[in-house]
Amino acid sequence: SAVISQKPSRDICQRGTSLTIQCQVDSQVTMMFWYRQQPGQSLTLIATANQGSEATYESGFVIDKFPISRPNLTFSTLTVSNMSPEDSSIYLCSVANTGGKGTGELFFGEGSRLTVL
Amino acid sequence: GESVGLHLPTLSVQEGDNSIINCAYSNSASDYFIWYKQESGKGPQFIIDIRSNMDKRQGQRVTVLLNKTVKHLSLQIAATQPGDSAVYFCAETLYSSASKIIFGSGTRLSIRP
Repeated sequence: SAVISQKPSRDICQRGTSLTIQCQVDSQVTMMFWYRQQPGQSLTLIATANQGSEATYESGFVIDKFPISRPNLTFSTLTVSNMSPEDSSIYLCSVANTGGKGTGELFFGEGSRLTVL
Repeated sequence: GESVGLHLPTLSVQEGDNSIINCAYSNSASDYFIWYKQESGKGPQFIIDIRSNMDKRQGQRVTVLLNKTVKHLSLQIAATQPGDSAVYFCAETLYSSASKIIFGSGTRLSIRP
């Protein structure tokens, strides 16, 4: 299994500011995923972050709003830029288990709960 | 803090009874399906998975059923315990391509003592 640490665990932010969320994994992984979970809803994939290449964004998410860094195989950051109250969500980092179980087992961090005022 | 499952459909079950949580998936090309459990304040946790060449798979106290004809998944939990209280999500993907995993809508399972 992989242990994933996210920082911050929660934050209250002012409208118009930006916040960077950090994700640290205790082992080297090829693919890291960033999800958003709005209040009372399911998880929506924001982007897939591969080391050494540009992140791949899902429909409705753009790099200018959610820039992602992936400097090495154990670390990634997601920035939520120019925040508005609609960005209030839990942001979750995850990695795939490549230990022979196929691709279904994602390990998740505890999430970063952002509240934008 | 606010529960992530506050606005999700809720299934209320008596402790000790069996629970059945249903899910409809969207992509007919998906061939790999997973159930996750999310407790309050935590990230989702893998429960069980099933590939499309199977229609049933059993784990410890849990069984997943797959009906590809109607694109339907269900998760059965036997002898539901208080620790089963959580939000449950189904998810779909393509097994062979290390593809992205797409989550379906969730169901909040509430256990009555």
